[in-house]
Amino acid sequence: GIQVEQSPPDLILQEGANSTLRCNFSDSVNNLQWFHQNPWGQLINLFYIPSGTKQNGRLSATTVATERYSLLYISSSQTTDSGVYFCAVGTGTASKLTFGTGTRLQVTL
Amino acid sequence: GAVVSQHPSRVICKSGTSVKIECRSLDFQATTMFWYRQFPKQSLMLMATSNEGSKATYEQGVEKDKFLINHASLTLSTLTVTSAHPEDSSFYICSAGGFTDTQYFGPGTRLTVL
Repeated sequence: GIQVEQSPPDLILQEGANSTLRCNFSDSVNNLQWFHQNPWGQLINLFYIPSGTKQNGRLSATTVATERYSLLYISSSQTTDSGVYFCAVGTGTASKLTFGTGTRLQVTL
Repeated sequence: GAVVSQHPSRVICKSGTSVKIECRSLDFQATTMFWYRQFPKQSLMLMATSNEGSKATYEQGVEKDKFLINHASLTLSTLTVTSAHPEDSSFYICSAGGFTDTQYFGPGTRLTVL
């Protein structure tokens, strides 16, 4: 099956710093989503981005499907950004998602 | 919009008992629901895909007789962990999709089997 690797696995930032999270996948995809899992376990949809670039406030994402990677940018990080960020990809028509390994982010004061 | 609920949020049971977890799409009709399991500090692993009115499709290595899934309506899917054992202790998360390729996730159910 498709492999989805995220980097870095862990990241500690001071409040106000910027960061880039990366998601590499091993095969062509027609679905790619970024999620934030908060400390209580809830997954929050950030972006549906199988290709191209999107922005939402302090977050933006870019997927280069031909090169099989996606990037999530967090600017001016806040403590509420802490948690685990997952990318998840889908192939085919079944809408199934394969989750990446995750990046655990801690934002400190 | 696109809210998914799960009940219960937390359950503790004795080894050998069965536990049912409900997943509801509150403001949309979900033709497809997914069940995931997440162990501590690990990623989400898809267990099964359920389509309303048909049998669930289980991922390789998931015991269909142990994890019973029912998707009786467009807003409700249930996962029953039968004869639960301590190794079944985990965080179970459902998601729902149907009108786009985006999946919306429930808040999860933490199962502890003593």
